[in-house]
Amino acid sequence: DIVLTQSPATLSLSPGERATLSCRASHGFDNHLAWYQQKPGQAPRLLIYDASDRAPDIPARFSGSGSGTDFTLTISSLEPEDFAVYYCQQRSEWRSTFGQGTRLEVK
Amino acid sequence: EVQLLDSGGGLAQPGESLTVSCAASGFTFRSYGMSWVRQTPGKGLEWVATISGVGASLYYADSVKGRFTISRDNSRNTLYLHMNSLTAEDTAVYYCAKDLHVGHPEWYFDLWGRGTLVTVSS
Repeated sequence: DIVLTQSPATLSLSPGERATLSCRASHGFDNHLAWYQQKPGQAPRLLIYDASDRAPDIPARFSGSGSGTDFTLTISSLEPEDFAVYYCQQRSEWRSTFGQGTRLEVK
Repeated sequence: EVQLLDSGGGLAQPGESLTVSCAASGFTFRSYGMSWVRQTPGKGLEWVATISGVGASLYYADSVKGRFTISRDNSRNTLYLHMNSLTAEDTAVYYCAKDLHVGHPEWYFDLWGRGTLVTVSS
């Protein structure tokens, strides 16, 4: 299985700042990578798929990039509701794995 | 309203069986691949199993292959996960999840249930 490693584990920023979250794969695959946001007590919410396509109704401040083994989720200007845990997920060879998550907290 | 309602979780003893269900509404259920994803505090999110729209294609994580069975009843708009030979490591919140696009499973989940807790303990 492809192992996804997310960094940093915790990111402390203030509203209005730019957030950059990283997801690195143990080996390269095609760009079938997604990003999810999860808030306490809620199910995950799909933000990005195919590495850079925004899911329906996702604000434009969320963007994804990368290829091969290195992928990035960028939040251009943090809103108060963006503080949550973010997971990357890949699918290849008819299976899927998630990263361990990055906690985005208020500084 | 477009939603998934998962249910059936509870307490099971090691070695026992349990089935969780997921009732779908508000979309053409049979057109979408569906999956189960579980979450534990220690291990985070773990994909468990996926089934194609008509149920012909099944996919499993290695950790559950041979013990869990995913199925669906498109006439009832319901997804199932039958779990056998449960161990403490299967303790988790189990979410059902819908694929983003119609067609063959793509493992991008745009709609999730609220989750149902399965606890395996003696």
